[in-house]
Amino acid sequence: GNSVTQMEGPVTLSEEAFLTINCTYTATGYPSLFWYVQYPGEGLQLPLKATKADDKGSNKGFEATYRKETTSFHLEKGSVQVSDSAVYFCALEQGGSEKLVFGKGTKLTVNP
Amino acid sequence: DAGITQSPRHKVTETGTPVTLRCHQTENHRYMYWYRQDPGHGLRLIHYSYGVKDTDKGEVSDGYSVSRSKTEDFLLTLESATSSQTSVYFCAISGQGVTEAFFGQGTRLTVV
Repeated sequence: GNSVTQMEGPVTLSEEAFLTINCTYTATGYPSLFWYVQYPGEGLQLPLKATKADDKGSNKGFEATYRKETTSFHLEKGSVQVSDSAVYFCALEQGGSEKLVFGKGTKLTVNP
Repeated sequence: DAGITQSPRHKVTETGTPVTLRCHQTENHRYMYWYRQDPGHGLRLIHYSYGVKDTDKGEVSDGYSVSRSKTEDFLLTLESATSSQTSVYFCAISGQGVTEAFFGQGTRLTVV
């Protein structure tokens, strides 16, 4: 079945550090891939998405590239801020299913 | 923000009692979902709906039932709450052909 594996957390960084959160997936065909962010006490928001191979999603300095050859969708940001502290979820939607499959989440804490 | 409202936002209930959570949307989206979020598990799909009176089970559906009598409302019922159902419950919506989902603020349910 479809699945998403993302790096275990928690991740703690200093402000302005480089961020990478790894995400790999298992799916048949060509799923759409997403990164969601959850700030404390809130629901999930969609920072970025990619719907086909080699697409790059980007939003507010975050980027992720859909790599079909490595079945990966790693999240990166060049310089994190304290306000980026949140839990990040990688997810996929198997084409036509309209259902999302989530990774377990990675908690990021950015210290000033 | 997508028009999606969950109620109640917090609830404490006793083991063995029935509980109903409500999700209401104003976006006229076809698909609605109920997820639960637990530490170490990420988000797991309980049930989903692809139209009025059309529902199906997700990966963790045991002990839960749903109903959708109108496009805008999706109800999740715990027939007889157990402590293992203590969790944060999220409702999500998506439209046909729209690959991303929009999430509600969540309902924190505690079963004592």
